[in-house]
Amino acid sequence: NAGVMQNPRHLVRRRGQEARLRCSPMKGHSHVYWYRQLPEEGLKFMVYLQKENIIDESGMPKERFSAEFPKEGPSILRIQQVVRGDSAAYFCASSPDRRFYGYTFGSGTRLTVV
Amino acid sequence: GENVEQHPSTLSVQEGDSAVIKCTYSDSASNYFPWYKQELGKGPQLIIDIRSNVGEKKDQRIAVTLNKTAKHFSLHITETQPEDSAVYFCAARALGTGFQKLVFGTGTRLLVSP
Repeated sequence: NAGVMQNPRHLVRRRGQEARLRCSPMKGHSHVYWYRQLPEEGLKFMVYLQKENIIDESGMPKERFSAEFPKEGPSILRIQQVVRGDSAAYFCASSPDRRFYGYTFGSGTRLTVV
Repeated sequence: GENVEQHPSTLSVQEGDSAVIKCTYSDSASNYFPWYKQELGKGPQLIIDIRSNVGEKKDQRIAVTLNKTAKHFSLHITETQPEDSAVYFCAARALGTGFQKLVFGTGTRLLVSP
């Protein structure tokens, strides 16, 4: 039973480009959570999605960031016009329902903006 | 909102010694406290968690204690081994959201020397 899968593992983008990060939840899970980890810091919540719905995006920057979780396919975190401050590790986790305790994270995507 | 503080930021011990990491939280209504271990280049992995109706929980060499009155919880690792070297994060569930939105501490880098 595969865990949460994220790709790519590493992503390098020039300032102004777009970054697309993918997260495939564990089998049978329809809830996805995205967190960001800045260097030498803890994880910070960004957004919580269910299939085709954004439930809570209180941690998402107001501009340039968007997330989706379509009916088919992985969840996508999109960052438009990246800046150096977007360089971070982005992790997602999944759960079978909203009250599930103890979700586990994927291996993350490490975004570097040059 | 919830705020989690974690100490120490770094901890060096000799193999076989015990290690203790402490966290405090601000929201007295928080009811779920997981601990994650993050190895270099990997995603955080859940190692143990505790809910507010329990004061202590053990899993082999790992234990977590919770003091709701003082609003702090601790991770105890006994008989440490070099493979315990990693960054450890505590977290607390932010209430009022209806789902498992976690607020993380800033991490403790544990180094176990042979």
